[in-house]
Amino acid sequence: DIQMTQSPSSLSASVGDRVTITCRASQSISNSLNWYQQKPGKAPKLLIYAASSLQSGVPSRFSGSGSGTDFTLTIGSLQPEDFAIYYCQQSYTTPPTFGGGTKVEIK
Amino acid sequence: EVQLLEFGGGLVQPGGSLRLSCAASGFTFSSYAMSWVRQAPGKGLEWVSFISGSGRNTYYEDSVKGRFTISRDNSKNTLYLQMNSLRAEDTAVYYCAKDSSLTMGSPFDYWGQGTLVTVSS
Repeated sequence: DIQMTQSPSSLSASVGDRVTITCRASQSISNSLNWYQQKPGKAPKLLIYAASSLQSGVPSRFSGSGSGTDFTLTIGSLQPEDFAIYYCQQSYTTPPTFGGGTKVEIK
Repeated sequence: EVQLLEFGGGLVQPGGSLRLSCAASGFTFSSYAMSWVRQAPGKGLEWVSFISGSGRNTYYEDSVKGRFTISRDNSKNTLYLQMNSLRAEDTAVYYCAKDSSLTMGSPFDYWGQGTLVTVSS
């Protein structure tokens, strides 16, 4: 199985900050990398698919980049509603696997 | 509007069985693959099972192979997960998730609200 490693596991940031989360795959997954946001008690929500494509309805402050094994999710200017846990997921092979998550907290 | 509503969670003893259902609406159900993803309390996300749009192709995570069965009824727009020989480590919130295409290897673009399965004596 492909292992997905996210860093950091948590971070504290202020409203307006630029935030970057990284995700590394244990082998090349081309651009088959997706990002999800999960708020407490809620289902995950797809933010970015195919490494850099913005899901419909997602604010443009979210962006993704990378290919191969190294990927990043960037929040351009953190908003109060962005405090959540973010997960990366590879859809390159079966089984699809998720990273351990990055919790974005208020500083 | 796409909606996915899960039913059937609850408390079950180790070794017991449970069937989860997921009622779908707002899209052409048979045109999309579906998956189940679970999340143990306080933990991350774990994919459990996949079924193609026609129902002909299924895949399972290794720890549930032989115990769980995914199925779908396209006439009722409903996805199922039959869970047998349940273990304490199966305790989790189970989400049904819509794949964004017919085939394996696409992102999960819509999720249900989840249903909690607790395996305990």
